[in-house]
Amino acid sequence: GENVEQHPSTLSVQEGDSAVIKCTYSDSASNYFPWYKQELGKRPQLIIDIRSNVGEKKDQRIAVTLNKTAKHFSLHITETQPEDSAVYFCAATGSYQLTFGKGTKLSVIP
Amino acid sequence: SQTIHQWPATLVQPVGSPLSLECTVEGTSNPNLYWYRQAAGRGLQLLFYSVGIGQISSEVPQNLSASRPQDRQFILSSKKLLLSDSGFYLCAWSVTLSGDEQYFGPGTRLTVT
Repeated sequence: GENVEQHPSTLSVQEGDSAVIKCTYSDSASNYFPWYKQELGKRPQLIIDIRSNVGEKKDQRIAVTLNKTAKHFSLHITETQPEDSAVYFCAATGSYQLTFGKGTKLSVIP
Repeated sequence: SQTIHQWPATLVQPVGSPLSLECTVEGTSNPNLYWYRQAAGRGLQLLFYSVGIGQISSEVPQNLSASRPQDRQFILSSKKLLLSDSGFYLCAWSVTLSGDEQYFGPGTRLTVT
């Protein structure tokens, strides 16, 4: 089945700096790659996603890039703000389900 | 618009007691439904998924079970809870099984004492 590796597990950045979280996947048939943000005690919320026919997607300060040849995708957050502090999960579709990475705890230091 | 509900929001149960968690979805028909468990500070573990009434697939062996008695209702149960069943239980729905967004409910925080 699908295996998703996510790095780093923790990330601290100064407010205003950029943050990058990287994921690799194993199943070359995967074609959907969402990113979720989970604040403490809350449900994961979908923040951006990308499909295999697209290399990059942006939504304001958030962008995701996909390299299908290398089987990796990344989340980029620019001009980070304290409210960006949360746990971020990447995921990839396997044959019938989403497989999630183990999460990255992002701390934005004011 | 679609809404997903879970209850209860929090639950404290003794070891060996039964469990029933409920999830309902509004605003869509024939959703795919999922139960995940999240241990403290950990990732999301898929427990069960369902593509229709009475159709349940299990991902991991455990003392939990799931049922789908109605199109938009998904229930997670146990006859006897273990300490290791503690965690944050999340229900989610999607339109298709793969290649589609999954939306999560607010979750149930279960503590087994």
